Amino acid sequence: QVQLVQSGAEVRKPGSSVKVSCKAYGGTLSNHAINWVRQAPGQGLLWMGRIIPIPGITNYAQKFQDRVTITADTSTNTVYIDLTSLRSEDTAIFYCARDRGDGYPYFDNWGQGTLLTVSS
Amino acid sequence: QSALTQPASVSGSPGQSITISCTGTSSDIGTHNLVSWYQQHPGKAPKLMIYEVNKRPSGVSNRFSGSKSGNAASLTISGLQAEDEADYYCCSYAGYSAFDVIFGGGTKLTVL
Repeated sequence: QVQLVQSGAEVRKPGSSVKVSCKAYGGTLSNHAINWVRQAPGQGLLWMGRIIPIPGITNYAQKFQDRVTITADTSTNTVYIDLTSLRSEDTAIFYCARDRGDGYPYFDNWGQGTLLTVSS
Repeated sequence: QSALTQPASVSGSPGQSITISCTGTSSDIGTHNLVSWYQQHPGKAPKLMIYEVNKRPSGVSNRFSGSKSGNAASLTISGLQAEDEADYYCCSYAGYSAFDVIFGGGTKLTVL
């Protein structure tokens, strides 16, 4: 059973950037898409984008298209999300979530979440 | 686009059944049978409970069921148990020219 383990909490200043990782243990990323979902404090879930590591196809939500880059390193089974031009409303928990391998948006394997705090 | 619309809260007593609605548009739920539901306990990651409108992943209780009609979907939980108390989110594919996914705002289920 693949386990997704995310990098630790981050604190950033407004205008800066952050890179969060999601590493798959116990298996490979293979052809499962890895998605990123944001959850602001006390708020709902918001899909940010995804990557299919092989062959490296990405899709982004329109809201984040200009500020987010998702990449994958298949040699280390790790996916990254890079978020730039941070603002206070980016303070949230970021989850990576793997789909079932069929390309459909059903996320059956989630990381533990990474808390990002954006504050001056 | 806007989030799918869910009631902020629902409640029920142990043993009862509850239904959580999720209203979308003809661009998401109405067009695609790609509706899923997630359960989230406080401080935990979401868990997939229903996919493809009414299918249950292995290990999910058959007390959970899903349905869809037109632009709306529903999650029904029968035989409510204390451990069902959580937040529930619906989710739908919303892509047209590009892959896109939309979630509902979430519903807090309280087991009285």
